Amino acid sequence: NAGVMQNPRHLVRRRGQEARLRCSPMKGHSHVYWYRQLPEEGLKFMVYLQKENIIDESGMPKERFSAEFPKEGPSILRIQQVVRGDSAAYFCASSPSQGARTEAFFGQGTRLTVV
Amino acid sequence: SQQGEEDPQALSIQEGENATMNCSYKTSINNLQWYRQNSGRGLVHLILIRSNEREKHSGRLRVTLDTSKKSSSLLITASRAADTASYFCATDGTAGNKLTFGGGTRVLVKP
Repeated sequence: NAGVMQNPRHLVRRRGQEARLRCSPMKGHSHVYWYRQLPEEGLKFMVYLQKENIIDESGMPKERFSAEFPKEGPSILRIQQVVRGDSAAYFCASSPSQGARTEAFFGQGTRLTVV
Repeated sequence: SQQGEEDPQALSIQEGENATMNCSYKTSINNLQWYRQNSGRGLVHLILIRSNEREKHSGRLRVTLDTSKKSSSLLITASRAADTASYFCATDGTAGNKLTFGGGTRVLVKP
């Protein structure tokens, strides 16, 4: 049973380009969370999704950021028109049940660098 | 400020010593979890303690929870160089929709 798979591991984008980050949850997990981590800091919650539904997007910036978790395929975090401040590590986590009642399993992250 | 603040921010100890770090939070919780992150890697779940539990053990880890003080501690006994990592506490909040992480404690275990 593979763990949470994120790709790419490293992504370099020029300012103004789009960044697409993918996350495949563990088999049998239908709950996905995205977090952002700046160097030497903790993880900041961005969005919580279930299949085809956004449950909580209170941590998502209002503009340029979007997330989806389609019925088939991985969850996608999309950042349009990236700026230098978007440079960070983006982590995806999945869990088998609702919210944060149980352990969350994290991927290895995607490190986005905007140049 | 954040839900889940770790103290100290950094800790340096010798191999074999114990490492203790604390976490304070602000709102009511259903559970509190501790995670470890090695440099440049994802987070690994260590232990989950529910709000009606006061203490929990897992191998060399001991976690306590004091809901009246809204605080938790993580003790690593007989530390090893491989324990060098950042340790984060995370709380779920009563809505339970998401984990909220603190800023972490960076632990360096010197051989």
